[in-house]
Amino acid sequence: QLHLQESGPGLVKPSETLSLTCTVSGGSITGTSYYWGWIRQPPGKGLEWIGSIFYSGSTYYNPSLKSRVTISVDTSKNQFSLKLSSVTAADTAVYYCARQNLVIVAFDLWGRGTLVTVSS
Amino acid sequence: EIVLTQSPGTVSLSPGEGATLPCRASQSISSSYLAWYQQKPGQAPRILIYGASSRATGIPDRFSGSGSGTDFTLTISRLEPEDFAVYYCQQYGSSPTFGGGTKVEIK
Repeated sequence: QLHLQESGPGLVKPSETLSLTCTVSGGSITGTSYYWGWIRQPPGKGLEWIGSIFYSGSTYYNPSLKSRVTISVDTSKNQFSLKLSSVTAADTAVYYCARQNLVIVAFDLWGRGTLVTVSS
Repeated sequence: EIVLTQSPGTVSLSPGEGATLPCRASQSISSSYLAWYQQKPGQAPRILIYGASSRATGIPDRFSGSGSGTDFTLTISRLEPEDFAVYYCQQYGSSPTFGGGTKVEIK
């Protein structure tokens, strides 16, 4: 059973860089039928896709966040990571990592999510 | 960017009743690229429907999806207590986007 787990600081100061890692267990991140994505949800609000990466390193990002986002992959550790720079209070959210299934064209497996608060 | 509109934001229903949740896209999208998710408080979203009408593994048959073009619908035939949650539609174009969600609450 594939499992995704987010990890990283729960508190980030304004103007700094938010960094999170998603560890995939129970299966390989190198499957050709999957991208691996980050999605966030501000408290009490809806879902926003941040960006996704293929195991080869190919990425695509939400245009509204593209200038501040970097997603990378480490296949040796079965992990992928998110960096979001120049954060503000508006970036406070639960951050989810998820598997993007290219066969059924949907996010079919999700991590439990981690709350990141931007505050001084 | 394709905008998905889910209205109303909240529906109040009783267990055993049926629910019809609409999702309207700002431009036509392929049915293959429309999915529905369920989210309960404190939990991650869970895939219900993909390809507009195909149920994901383990999803009860009281959940069904339909629609094409710009108008899609999630139908729950008879609400069970565990179905009271927030439901999101999502399109998978060049830049995936989610609708704002519809909360199904107990009347």
